[in-house]
Amino acid sequence: GNSVTQMEGPVTLSEEAFLTINCTYTATGYPSLFWYVQYPGEGLQLLLKATKADDKGSNKGFEATYRKETTSFHLEKGSVQVSDSAVYFCAPYSSASKIIFGSGTRLSIRP
Amino acid sequence: DTGVSQNPRHKITKRGQNVTFRCDPISEHNRLYWYRQTLGQGPEFLTYFQNEAQLEKSRLLSDRFSAERPKGSFSTLEIQRTEQGDSAMYLCASSLSGAYRGEQYFGPGTRLTVT
Repeated sequence: GNSVTQMEGPVTLSEEAFLTINCTYTATGYPSLFWYVQYPGEGLQLLLKATKADDKGSNKGFEATYRKETTSFHLEKGSVQVSDSAVYFCAPYSSASKIIFGSGTRLSIRP
Repeated sequence: DTGVSQNPRHKITKRGQNVTFRCDPISEHNRLYWYRQTLGQGPEFLTYFQNEAQLEKSRLLSDRFSAERPKGSFSTLEIQRTEQGDSAMYLCASSLSGAYRGEQYFGPGTRLTVT
């Protein structure tokens, strides 16, 4: 079955720092890959997605590239803001209906 | 589009009591999902409906749990004889069958505390 391993948190950075949150997955078939974000007190939101190898998903300054050869989908942002403080979940999706979520990485940004 | 809504947002109950949660999906979405999220963990899949049919259930969904979507619109999740281990955030999500099925839209969740 599908599984995902993502960078353990919490991750604490200063504003304008560069962010990388690592994610690797195992999956049967050819999964779509997603990053979801959960802001404090809010529901999960889809942040970005990629559906085939070498695709780059991007949104709100975040990017992630589907790397089939390394089964990875690392999340990056060049300059983080305090408002990016949240929990980030990597999530592969393939033939089953359910999304398999990682354990989440809590990100805190210092002003 | 008002998004996915869930009620109540918080529920405190005593062990052994029954509780019921409601989820209203985005109106045109025909798929509806229930997940459970415990502190510090990612959401875990519980069950999934397409229209009114319950198509998949997780092993996590013991016989004390039951979910319905009688008219293919809103859904209810009932937990009978609650236990302290049931304390968690219960999340509902919905999607369109034609879209990438990983692109699910989540509600704010119902936080259950069993005392």
